[in-house]
Amino acid sequence: EIVLTQSPGTLSLSPGERATLSCRASQAVSSTYFAWYQQKPGQAPRLLIYGASNRAPGIPDRFSGGGSGTDFTLTISRLEPEDFALYYCQQYGVSWTFGQGTKVE
Amino acid sequence: QVQLVQSGPEVKKPGASVRISCRASGYFLTRYFMHWVRQAPGQGPEWMGRINPHDGSANYAQRFQDRISLTRDTSTSTVYMELSSLRSQDTAVYYCTREFLRGVESEYWGQGTLVTVSS
Repeated sequence: EIVLTQSPGTLSLSPGERATLSCRASQAVSSTYFAWYQQKPGQAPRLLIYGASNRAPGIPDRFSGGGSGTDFTLTISRLEPEDFALYYCQQYGVSWTFGQGTKVE
Repeated sequence: QVQLVQSGPEVKKPGASVRISCRASGYFLTRYFMHWVRQAPGQGPEWMGRINPHDGSANYAQRFQDRISLTRDTSTSTVYMELSSLRSQDTAVYYCTREFLRGVESEYWGQGTLVTVSS
């Protein structure tokens, strides 16, 4: 079973700053099946990035994803107030796995 | 429009079972896999399994393999998740979510069902 480990656990930043979130997989993951999600309190997760680097429809271009193999990143170029939330990485295919999350506060 | 409507909150005692329903509308149930994801308080999402409503076949996460069952009723466009031998660590919000073609189709989630396991 693939384990996804996110770092850092919490990222303390200010609006306008750049956020870089990391996700490391315990074994190589196909980029085709790698995603990032955002979650706000009381809501279901929302897809931001799929295929490691493709923005989901409606996602602003300040969000970008990259990486391959076992190391992936999510970058938010300039934080907007609505971006302060929890972020999860995910590998998907037949089965899914989520990371434990990074809180951007 | 596509909607996934889940059954209401449940309170169960340790050792009991819980069955949650997820009724789909706005599309043909049999065309998309349905996944179940749970989220314990303060924890990340955890995938539990998926069902192919077309033929009823299911895949389960290894850690739930021996106590989870996913079924469906195509006549009512409803899928069910049953989890047995409940313990306090199973206290969580349980979601159904439809498989989708990322980048092409929208994602859909049920509203979530809170299951509380307490003696």
